[in-house]
Amino acid sequence: QKEVEQNSGPLSVPEGAIASLNCTYSDRGSQSFFWYRQYSGKSPELIMSIYSNGDKEDGRFTAQLNKASQYVSLLIRDSQPSDSATYLCAVRGNTPLVFGKGTRLSVIA
Amino acid sequence: EAGVTQFPSHSVIEKGQTVTLRCDPISGHDNLYWYRRVMGKEIKFLLHFVKESKQDESGMPNNRFLAERTGGTYSTLKVQPAELEDSGVYFCASSPTRGTEAFFGQGTRLTVV
Repeated sequence: QKEVEQNSGPLSVPEGAIASLNCTYSDRGSQSFFWYRQYSGKSPELIMSIYSNGDKEDGRFTAQLNKASQYVSLLIRDSQPSDSATYLCAVRGNTPLVFGKGTRLSVIA
Repeated sequence: EAGVTQFPSHSVIEKGQTVTLRCDPISGHDNLYWYRRVMGKEIKFLLHFVKESKQDESGMPNNRFLAERTGGTYSTLKVQPAELEDSGVYFCASSPTRGTEAFFGQGTRLTVV
């Protein structure tokens, strides 16, 4: 069974710090990797996608992918209280999106 | 441009009743997905439509769940008869092509009592 593992948290960081969220996946055939942000009671919102090894930066967000280690991470620089949410890692190979359980991030003002 | 919309946002029904959830994908998106999140668990795939055809329904829990996408536009997911374990949030997502980002609707929170 294909799995996506995330630390459920909560991960607490002070405002202005870097938040680091990690995700591992079991299917070596995975090709597409996504990070979604979900506020309580809301739907998942896509914030980053990454398809090849290395780093991809978008504003305060950086996604990192290492296919050899089957590892994908999300860095949030200059964390803000508004970044407090659950972050879902999702992976796709030849199957539909498989989600991790999510990591709850709390940014303390 | 309108996003993925789902109706209703909440539904409370008794065990044994029938409920139909609706999803309107983003216009022009051929791919439509249904997912479900049960309390404390991860979001799990239910099925995938490409236009009006079921591409993958491996995640459907049992034959009490029936999904349709007539004409390749909106989709419905019917649960008949509903059981207590069907409670959860049902998400619909759409994407223009397979492999690209999927955009989610706001979800339908189903509570079976």
